[in-house]
Amino acid sequence: GAGVSQSPSNKVTEKGKDVELRCDPISGHTALYWYRQSLGQGLEFLIYFQGNSAPDKSGLPSDRFSAERTGGSVSTLTIQRTQQEDSAVYLCASSSDPTGETQYFGPGTRLLVL
Amino acid sequence: AQSVTQLDSHVSVSEGTPVLLRCNYSSSYSPSLFWYVQHPNKGLQLLLKYTSAATLVKGINGFEAEFKKSETSFHLTKPSAHMSDAAEYFCVVSVLLSGNTPLVFGKGTRLSVIA
Repeated sequence: GAGVSQSPSNKVTEKGKDVELRCDPISGHTALYWYRQSLGQGLEFLIYFQGNSAPDKSGLPSDRFSAERTGGSVSTLTIQRTQQEDSAVYLCASSSDPTGETQYFGPGTRLLVL
Repeated sequence: AQSVTQLDSHVSVSEGTPVLLRCNYSSSYSPSLFWYVQHPNKGLQLLLKYTSAATLVKGINGFEAEFKKSETSFHLTKPSAHMSDAAEYFCVVSVLLSGNTPLVFGKGTRLSVIA
């Protein structure tokens, strides 16, 4: 079956511009996670959606970052007024495991802010 | 707070020789521990998972890891490296009780395999 997909795979933007990153989770998975992977670093948690509950936004680094999940499926991560330090790989994962321990990851979106 | 420390940022081995990727964890509770692998330009893939059953966990592609509570370690091993094993490996701990995401990742170990 289809795994988690993300688009675009690569994005180059200029400092100050807004970007939108998309995640299509595995069908039926109620939990969706966004992570950021900077060069030489592990994955940094950004935001977590579980069903219709309010998202856990505790990992968002600034108010320039926001995310939504429409219809309990597709999610969009938006970064406003991008900065060079936002350059990273943004990974999405989904899970049907109630504990959230088993997560399936997408290939990521590589963002470069010039 | 739960955390993991991967002791080596880069490990290089010759093809056919054993692989050892080291991981130490810190957890106030009985943890669940994982190893994920990330091949270039591909998504993260779960290699294996420990959840308080057998302390020696077997995963995919011939990898295994042993949970040692006395040493707070969860090292990843493979008897014989293959060229296709070259990738980034992440040790991960579950933090279900933190109120946050359940997975905390280490910084990764890049495995190089020399022909």
